[in-house]
Amino acid sequence: DQQVKQNSPSLSVQEGRISILNCDYTNSMFDYFLWYKKYPAEGPTFLISISSIKDKNEDGRFTVFLNKSAKHLSLHIVPSQPGDSAVYFCAASAINSGNTPLVFGKGTRLSVIA
Amino acid sequence: AAGVIQSPRHLIKEKRETATLKCYPIPRHDTVYWYQQGPGQDPQFLISFYEKMQSDKGSIPDRFSAQQFSDYHSELNMSSLELGDSALYFCASRHRGGVGKNIQYFGAGTRLSVL
Repeated sequence: DQQVKQNSPSLSVQEGRISILNCDYTNSMFDYFLWYKKYPAEGPTFLISISSIKDKNEDGRFTVFLNKSAKHLSLHIVPSQPGDSAVYFCAASAINSGNTPLVFGKGTRLSVIA
Repeated sequence: AAGVIQSPRHLIKEKRETATLKCYPIPRHDTVYWYQQGPGQDPQFLISFYEKMQSDKGSIPDRFSAQQFSDYHSELNMSSLELGDSALYFCASRHRGGVGKNIQYFGAGTRLSVL
């Protein structure tokens, strides 16, 4: 069973507009969440993370929102740029339970159209 | 800044052969993770090491083994290779005591093709 779900395999957005990538999780033990960006032939690159004690974390154009009651998080990219086109993975871990390996979603392919 | 180094980048093997993948973590990182990503799949956790001791074990087949050496680099040994072992293998490292909690930094991966 998929503990971290990214239900949209792909997303297309106009340059300059907002990109919203969604992620749902089922394991209530997860307390730390990360977003990674992946280009072809490269490893995942860390983008932004959020601890379960927060509901928002912002870093430049990237903001992650966490809704614990809904077990849902989202990544907002504003404004979107063509260089943002990549596969975005949502990942989760249960650090406070000593379980640090990441559990990944299947990824969402973002295409930013100029 | 130094990143996670994996070698080789590409590896072609035949069924029943063995393979060794190497991972050099970011300096001062004490924890290494191995993940396997099949075609069109999400990365799946295999095994991890903290201070040269096995820390967590995921879906690693018995045919695979791994270790972390005194210089913190890690090797994933794969024996009796099967067609289904063809995948991208990522190594990630983390500094357990670091400010960034559980941020794992990934290498570029080794693409293993079993023919």
